[in-house]
Amino acid sequence: EVQLVESGGGLVKSGESLRISCAASGFTFSSYVMNWVRQAPGKGLEWVSSININSRYIVYSDSVKGRFTISRDNVKNSVYLQMNNLRAEDTAVYYCTREDGEAFDVWGQGTMVTVSS
Amino acid sequence: QSVLTQPPSASGTPGQRVTISCSGSSSNIGIKDVFWYQQLPGTAPKLLIYKNNQRPSGVPDRFSGSKSGTSASLAISGLRSEDEADYYCAAWDGRLSGRLFGGGTKLTVL
Repeated sequence: EVQLVESGGGLVKSGESLRISCAASGFTFSSYVMNWVRQAPGKGLEWVSSININSRYIVYSDSVKGRFTISRDNVKNSVYLQMNNLRAEDTAVYYCTREDGEAFDVWGQGTMVTVSS
Repeated sequence: QSVLTQPPSASGTPGQRVTISCSGSSSNIGIKDVFWYQQLPGTAPKLLIYKNNQRPSGVPDRFSGSKSGTSASLAISGLRSEDEADYYCAAWDGRLSGRLFGGGTKLTVL
């Protein structure tokens, strides 16, 4: 079964850091671009970051550029999001997604990150 | 504020056909493919339409997508109660060098 499982979310204070993870299974992880997408409570979807198969092409949304770092480990079949200098507006459910031909075709269940001010 | 503009809400009765619009610009929908995602209450989003009008396996043919110029539409025919969900359009934006989502449309089945 193709699956993405996020972990590492939690409650942190403004200015602190947190690293969330996404474990992939059921497919050849190293062949796919991976993304993080977030959703603030009661709000819509917001794309956060993308990493290509060999980590040489990485892009971020303007809202997280300079604070968040995406990375991947093709041996551990995992993708990560290191979030530094967190702000209240970063509070959201963070989804890991697989990208296939620009489509986000597989989504994890999400991990909640809450930043208290 | 999303660069891809969707109506915040839409509604219909069972069996009806409803359409949801997504308006963009020459830097996104005008030059790139459009994707649609369905998010049922309390669940993760699911890919509904890819490359403007293609359905992944398992998506009923009641769902269809189209694109013209800088706008796109999602049509749902034979509306059913289980279609009640939030629907999002998405496209790559060349000017922002990133992926954009529309603000989402909440579909209510009356």
